[in-house]
Amino acid sequence: GENVEQHPSTLSVQEGDSAVIKCTYSDSASNYFPWYKQELGKRPQLIIDIRSNVGEKKDQRIAVTLNKTAKHFSLHITETQPEDSAVYFCAASKSNAGKSTFGDGTTLTVKP
Amino acid sequence: EAQVTQNPRYLITVTGKKLTVTCSQNMNHEYMSWYRQDPGLGLRQIYYSMNVEVTDKGDVPEGYKVSRKEKRNFPLILESPSPNQTSLYFCASMSVSANTEAFFGQGTRLTVV
Repeated sequence: GENVEQHPSTLSVQEGDSAVIKCTYSDSASNYFPWYKQELGKRPQLIIDIRSNVGEKKDQRIAVTLNKTAKHFSLHITETQPEDSAVYFCAASKSNAGKSTFGDGTTLTVKP
Repeated sequence: EAQVTQNPRYLITVTGKKLTVTCSQNMNHEYMSWYRQDPGLGLRQIYYSMNVEVTDKGDVPEGYKVSRKEKRNFPLILESPSPNQTSLYFCASMSVSANTEAFFGQGTRLTVV
């Protein structure tokens, strides 16, 4: 089955700096890669996603890049703000298989 | 509004007293899943279901049961809860055919004393 590894497990940055979280996956058939943000005590919610036919996607300060050859994808947050502090999860899934496999999460702390 | 609804949100119970956490989704999703979340351990999958009457074990199924008699509902059953099942539980659903993101319920914080 699919295996997703996420690094780092914790990340601390100064406000205004950039943050990068990386995930690798094992199943080359995986073709959908979402990122979720989970604030303390709340449910994980989608912040950005990318499909395997695209190499990069951007939404304001958030971007995701995908390298299918190397089987890794990364979340980039620029100009970080204290409200970006949360746990971020990556995931991978493939068409018609349902099951989404999650990484173990990264706790991001943005210091004012 | 598309949503996944879990009940109850908070529950304190005693060891051995059977309980059920309900999960319902209104998006006609085929796939539903239960996760538990403990500090530092991410989301660990308990059970999942690809469709009605189809369920399968996740990574940590011991001590839990599920059923999928209707497409919209996927209850989590703890027949004899123990203190090590104290955790934050999330139900999630997603569309298999569309292969889009997972939608999570609000979470159920369970304490077993």
